[in-house]
Amino acid sequence: EVQLQESGPGLVKPSQSLSLTCSVTGYSITSNYWGWIRKFPGNKMEWMGYISYSGSTSYNPSLKSRISITRDTSKNQFFLQLNSVTTEDTATYYCARWKGGYFDYWGQGVMVTVSS
Amino acid sequence: DVQMTQSLSYLAASPGESVSISCKASKSISNYLAWYQQKPGEAYKLLIYSGSTLQSGTPSRFSGSGSGTDFTLTIRSLEPEDFGLYYCQQYYEKPYTFGAGTKLELK
Repeated sequence: EVQLQESGPGLVKPSQSLSLTCSVTGYSITSNYWGWIRKFPGNKMEWMGYISYSGSTSYNPSLKSRISITRDTSKNQFFLQLNSVTTEDTATYYCARWKGGYFDYWGQGVMVTVSS
Repeated sequence: DVQMTQSLSYLAASPGESVSISCKASKSISNYLAWYQQKPGEAYKLLIYSGSTLQSGTPSRFSGSGSGTDFTLTIRSLEPEDFGLYYCQQYYEKPYTFGAGTKLELK
């Protein structure tokens, strides 16, 4: 069974970078696409981007040049980096397998607070 | 961006009842719509994609309907494990966007 698990610091200071890891078991990340989604306090959700089986990426324009999604195929992990964070980036971050538009397997999420 | 509107933030029902959760897109998205369920402490669960296709493992009491701009998730004969948060998501075009969620609560 495909399982995803997010990890990373729960607290990040404003203007710094947020870095998260998604560890995948039960499926190779060299197949399919893999994405990041976040849920803000109040339940609004935002698709952030994805990385393909070949390493190409697609990002939500709202995140402009702040976002980067990379991967380590040897560890079957992919990563999210979000630069220049503000308090508005406080959210629960989820990784998921992208299935042509929708997401069929999700991690349980990691809560990240941006605060000084 | 395509705006997705779930008109009900909360919906209270009792086990055994049937409920419908609506989702409206700001433009036609054909049937490029998915429904998810989230329960506290659990991963999101994909219930339905392509507007009406049940994901493997989704109980048959769940059904999805609609195309274009108006979609509905129906749950027949609610079970206790059905209470939680439900989201719709369009994948007609990027950026993929979600509704604000409908919390299905026990009456």
